[in-house]
Amino acid sequence: AQKVTQAQTEISVVEKEDVTLDCVYETRDTTYYLFWYKQPPSGELVFLIRRNSFDEQNEISGRYSWNFQKSTSSFNFTITASQVVDSAVYFCALSEAPSGRGSTLGRLYFGRGTQLTVWP
Amino acid sequence: ETGVTQTPRHLVMGMTNKKSLKCEQHLGHNAMYWYKQSAKKPLELMFVYNFKEQTENNSVPSRFSPECPNSSHLFLHLHTLQPEDSALYLCASSQDPQGGGSPLHFGNGTRLTVT
Repeated sequence: AQKVTQAQTEISVVEKEDVTLDCVYETRDTTYYLFWYKQPPSGELVFLIRRNSFDEQNEISGRYSWNFQKSTSSFNFTITASQVVDSAVYFCALSEAPSGRGSTLGRLYFGRGTQLTVWP
Repeated sequence: ETGVTQTPRHLVMGMTNKKSLKCEQHLGHNAMYWYKQSAKKPLELMFVYNFKEQTENNSVPSRFSPECPNSSHLFLHLHTLQPEDSALYLCASSQDPQGGGSPLHFGNGTRLTVT
């Protein structure tokens, strides 16, 4: 089973529409982090947001908002009034803390990404 | 210059060539990573270095050889590659080792084509 599932492979919208990108994760840890990254055509993954597992407060940053719900293990990302420049691949990621069994390293898992195309 | 810089941006090489990818981070981070991104496939973690020490090798073939001379520089040496190795190779860095909650900062990647 995948640790991070982004069920939407591709989404197309017209400019000014709102769009929500889904992310469902799986972990048994109580301490973990969730991330969203944006990968425009230039190739570089750009960090957008990080949430820790103890903070379920939703966040808004301009046209971007994130809805973190532990009850459904989801961390969805909404773009309001989408623009052509929002066209990119968006990745959700889960970071698990070290297992504690002699390990000092955790694990980072990426979803397969959602290709968002915004048409003018 | 800031962020994570990768060179070259594009590389075409034959199967018998030897080449190297370079990554440099100017963020003072302690961990560096190599990822492979192939078309229609998820991001694949290849190698992780924490404080210059390799801490992870995700069953990567020996034709890929990483080198981390210091916390700011990371190389990926390539030799006798196969056409299926053609992909976007991304370098990243983070303040703390993976699992510590630090976000990764990525370079623009090297688009590798093996002919």
